[in-house]
Amino acid sequence: DAGVIQSPRHEVTEMGQEVTLRCKPISGHNSLFWYRQTMMRGLELLIYFNNNVPIDDSGMPEDRFSAKMPNASFSTLKIQPSEPRDSAVYFCASSLFGEPQHFGDGTRLSIL
Amino acid sequence: AQKVTQAQTEISVVEKEDVTLDCVYETRDTTYYLFWYKQPPSGELVFLIRRNSFDEQNEISGRYSWNFQKSTSSFNFTITASQVVDSAVYFCALSEAGRGGSEKLVFGKGTKLTVNP
Repeated sequence: DAGVIQSPRHEVTEMGQEVTLRCKPISGHNSLFWYRQTMMRGLELLIYFNNNVPIDDSGMPEDRFSAKMPNASFSTLKIQPSEPRDSAVYFCASSLFGEPQHFGDGTRLSIL
Repeated sequence: AQKVTQAQTEISVVEKEDVTLDCVYETRDTTYYLFWYKQPPSGELVFLIRRNSFDEQNEISGRYSWNFQKSTSSFNFTITASQVVDSAVYFCALSEAGRGGSEKLVFGKGTKLTVNP
């Protein structure tokens, strides 16, 4: 079975540019999570969805970050405008109700 | 608030040694889950185990074993006869029990394990 698929795997862009990260959850999973990993803060949840509905976005750093889940098989995390401090590895994870989360391989984002 | 503490930042052992990774958690919930994830050098996060707060039985899976003690709020992970392939960062995590869906994970800062040949 295909796991969680994230794209791109790597992104390098200049400060001020819009960045869009994409995630395809495991088919049939009804929860989707976006996490960010940095050296300073470790792994932290940004936002999660249950049945395509955002449940908790308290981890979204600021208004420059937005996430959508238009259907059960696709989600995006957008940063506009991007800043160097947004450089991190962004993970998407999905799970079936009450089951452990399975993570994608992550997107390594570098903002110059 | 929920919190997970992994006091060991880095551990280095020689192959075939046993090693225990410590995890201490804080939560006000009576129902919760504890997890261990592995992050090898390639960067992905691999699920290892989940325990719920009502099940304090220790678990063994091959060379891996987990010791859950509610009295000390600990969920420690032991690797027996370590191998070079066990080298990775290991994360302990905590979540509330789902209320109709899955809940977020709160991660510890991780323990970097290096197993030397």
